Amino acid sequence: GNSVTQMEGPVTLSEEAFLTINCTYTATGYPSLFWYVQYPGEGLQLLLKATKADDKGSNKGFEATYRKETTSFHLEKGSVQVSDSAVYFCALLNTGGFKTIFGAGTRLFVKA
Amino acid sequence: DTAVSQTPKYLVTQMGNDKSIKCEQNLGHDTMYWYKQDSKKFLKIMFSYNNKELIINETVPNRFSPKSPDKAHLNLHINSLELGDSAVYFCASSQIAGAGETQYFGPGTRLLVL
Repeated sequence: GNSVTQMEGPVTLSEEAFLTINCTYTATGYPSLFWYVQYPGEGLQLLLKATKADDKGSNKGFEATYRKETTSFHLEKGSVQVSDSAVYFCALLNTGGFKTIFGAGTRLFVKA
Repeated sequence: DTAVSQTPKYLVTQMGNDKSIKCEQNLGHDTMYWYKQDSKKFLKIMFSYNNKELIINETVPNRFSPKSPDKAHLNLHINSLELGDSAVYFCASSQIAGAGETQYFGPGTRLLVL
């Protein structure tokens, strides 16, 4: 079956540090991959996505590359800000599927 | 204008009561979803409707019953509430159910069962 595994949190960083949140997936077929972000007290919102192998999604300084050979979609940002403190969810949606599979979420704390 | 809205935002109630949560989207999307998020932030899909027809029904107790009067609305009714139902419930929508489609989430309804 389809599944998403992401690194456990919380991740605590100082402002301007480099961020990596690992995400690996298991899927049949050719899924689309997503990162969603949930700020405190809010619903999830799309951060970035990639729909085929080797695609790079990017938004707000965050990037993730769809790596089929390693079944990974790691999230990176070169310099985090306090305002990036949130919970980040990796997710996949398989071709022809109706159900998005979410990872367990990784909480990020950024200290000033 | 709020794209996906839910009411109420907070719901505190006693065990055994029946309650409803309403969801509306003004994005013109065909597909709507209900998710449950527990205290550890784990997100689990409960139901999905496409053009008012049920397409996903995960292993959810019969006490939970979704209703979609039209494409823009998906309500969730919960009978005989239990302590374990305490969670945040999110409604979401997408243009179609398929590869690459982004889901748009509502702000959540925080349910506390006492």
